[in-house]
Amino acid sequence: EVQLVESGGGLVQPGGSLRLSCAASGFSFSSYWMSWVRQAPGKGLEWVANIKKDGSERYYVDSVKGRFTISRDNAKNSVYLQMNSLRVEDTAVFYCARAGDEYDSSGFKHWGQGTLVTVSS
Amino acid sequence: DIQMTQSPSTLSAYVGDRVTVTCRASQSISRWLAWYQQKPGKAPKLLIYKASTLESGVPSKFSGSGSGTEFTLTISSLQPDDFATYYCQQYNSFPYSFGQGTKLEIK
Repeated sequence: EVQLVESGGGLVQPGGSLRLSCAASGFSFSSYWMSWVRQAPGKGLEWVANIKKDGSERYYVDSVKGRFTISRDNAKNSVYLQMNSLRVEDTAVFYCARAGDEYDSSGFKHWGQGTLVTVSS
Repeated sequence: DIQMTQSPSTLSAYVGDRVTVTCRASQSISRWLAWYQQKPGKAPKLLIYKASTLESGVPSKFSGSGSGTEFTLTISSLQPDDFATYYCQQYNSFPYSFGQGTKLEIK
């Protein structure tokens, strides 16, 4: 069974940093692209970042470019999101997600439970 | 960047009704479109991918169609469990993007 478990959320002041982790199990982690998706309170879903199987390609939504970094450790079956220069508008539940296939061509079939990041003074 | 626009934003319907949600892309995304259902406090659930392929385990009352820039999600014979928020998402090119959501409410 595929499992994605996020951790690392919490309360941080504007301008601060936070590192989210997603521990994956139940599948061959190094064979899949991995993603982060967020949802601000009461708002819709926003794709944040993707990382290729071997970490060689990374993509971001414009609003986090230069501030967030997605990375992975295939030996630890984990994907990370380093978030710097956090803003109030980054407050959201952050989900780790994985496509249904190894080519990232079938939508996000698997999701974690989410971890809440609150940016506030 | 590709913008996804869903309509309507809110949809009121009766149990037993058949409803349709529309999603438009600002440029062609071929058939690289997924539909999700989300209930309060829960992660989204994948319903349909590649515009019309039903995800395993999802009831056939859900169906998707379209290609290029216009897509639809149809839900037949609404049941109480179907009342939720629905999102479309394009994965044709980065940055991926979601529609703003359609909240399906019981009338």
